[in-house]
Amino acid sequence: DARVTQTPRHKVTEMGQEVTMRCQPILGHNTVFWYRQTMMQGLELLAYFRNRAPLDDSGMPKDRFSAEMPDATLATLKIQPSEPRDSAVYFCASGFPGINNEQFFGPGTRLTVL
Amino acid sequence: AQKITQTQPGMFVQEKEAVTLDCTYDTSDPSYGLFWYKQPSSGEMIFLIYQGSYDQQNATEGRYSLNFQKARKSANLVISASQLGDSAMYFCAMREDNTDKLIFGTGTRLQVFP
Repeated sequence: DARVTQTPRHKVTEMGQEVTMRCQPILGHNTVFWYRQTMMQGLELLAYFRNRAPLDDSGMPKDRFSAEMPDATLATLKIQPSEPRDSAVYFCASGFPGINNEQFFGPGTRLTVL
Repeated sequence: AQKITQTQPGMFVQEKEAVTLDCTYDTSDPSYGLFWYKQPSSGEMIFLIYQGSYDQQNATEGRYSLNFQKARKSANLVISASQLGDSAMYFCAMREDNTDKLIFGTGTRLQVFP
């Protein structure tokens, strides 16, 4: 049963600390997305990659957020330095261009910045 | 600019009854896709159903069907024979064909009671 995996599932950190979230897309999927979900803003796309190349990161605060795909099996989202307003659930999703371009979501990382 | 609107913050339905969750969208692109996702209390995002803008028939997946009215720009989700396990948040989303990005609505919380 192919699934997107994310680690860690929960992260509590203090303001100013670096946070790294990891995602393993479904094998064979060449498009990876990072979303953030908050009560106030709902689900927002932060960035996405195709074939490991960044296609759009316009939703991401550039000064503190960075997203990379070191290889086809790993995507990372880093926040440095973290701030309380970054507290949210961060989802990774993967997909493959096709008939409906369905995106398969991971379980999410719940981040709390104190 | 593309936009997804879900006007029902919450809905109640009795077990075994049908329920319709509303979704309207706004786009100037003639080619687009519409999605519904379910988010149970555990937090994961589960893909339910997809409708392409050029699809002639309404999409169906088991107990889920999409009532697609293109002229009205609506894509309502119909859940037949509701079950207690259907209690969750439901998100409508849209993707225009020239992008992989999904734009999500604010969601509807469905509660199924016995």
